[in-house]
Amino acid sequence: QVQLVESGGGMVQPGRSLRLSCAASGFTFTNYAMHWVRQAPGKGLEWVAVISYDGLSQNDADSVKGRFTISRDNSKNTLYLQINSPTTEDTAVYYCARDHSGGGNDLWGRGTVVTVSS
Amino acid sequence: QSALTQPASVSGSPGQSITISCTGTTSDVGAYNYVSWYQQHPDKAPKLLIYDVTNRPSGVSNRFSGSKSGNTASLTISGLQAEDEADYYCSSYRDSSTYVFGTGTKVTVL
Repeated sequence: QVQLVESGGGMVQPGRSLRLSCAASGFTFTNYAMHWVRQAPGKGLEWVAVISYDGLSQNDADSVKGRFTISRDNSKNTLYLQINSPTTEDTAVYYCARDHSGGGNDLWGRGTVVTVSS
Repeated sequence: QSALTQPASVSGSPGQSITISCTGTTSDVGAYNYVSWYQQHPDKAPKLLIYDVTNRPSGVSNRFSGSKSGNTASLTISGLQAEDEADYYCSSYRDSSTYVFGTGTKVTVL
């Protein structure tokens, strides 16, 4: 069926690295831009990054600029988020989401939890 | 990058209508017709309710409607039902090819 499944979350020490993955299935992955969105415990949604359908264009939020990198492998129908130098403020549920032609995200994964702690 | 401003909470009785506002700036809500709305129940992923200010995806109840005036977008829920109790977020495309979410609104059905 049409779905997104995130993986790669867990506990990481401040300053270490982590890579999240999002496996897409049931639709033509190469037709869609993709996003990462996160939600800290008890807080609201925060947009993190977007990548174009072909992977040639990326943009990210100021809060993660220079530390996080969004990428994709269209041959594997997989989206990635490389998290470098995390701080405790990066502790959150990380969702991947499909772009609805620039106007919203119409398909979401269930999220993967990242906890940054020493 | 400041979040869009939403009221922290809105409540209503079953059958009533409520409206949630989402205030941005001339760099996001006021500049683009790329405002979307999401519903999120506890421990669940968000669900898209409205995209491009006024459009509903297939399968979303017509009790949900969206509008925009200037820098403020709004979501109206008509015929409020118990299942509508959830958190609601707006989102907008913003200058420099980025996106921003609202602060979130908790809807309570009395």
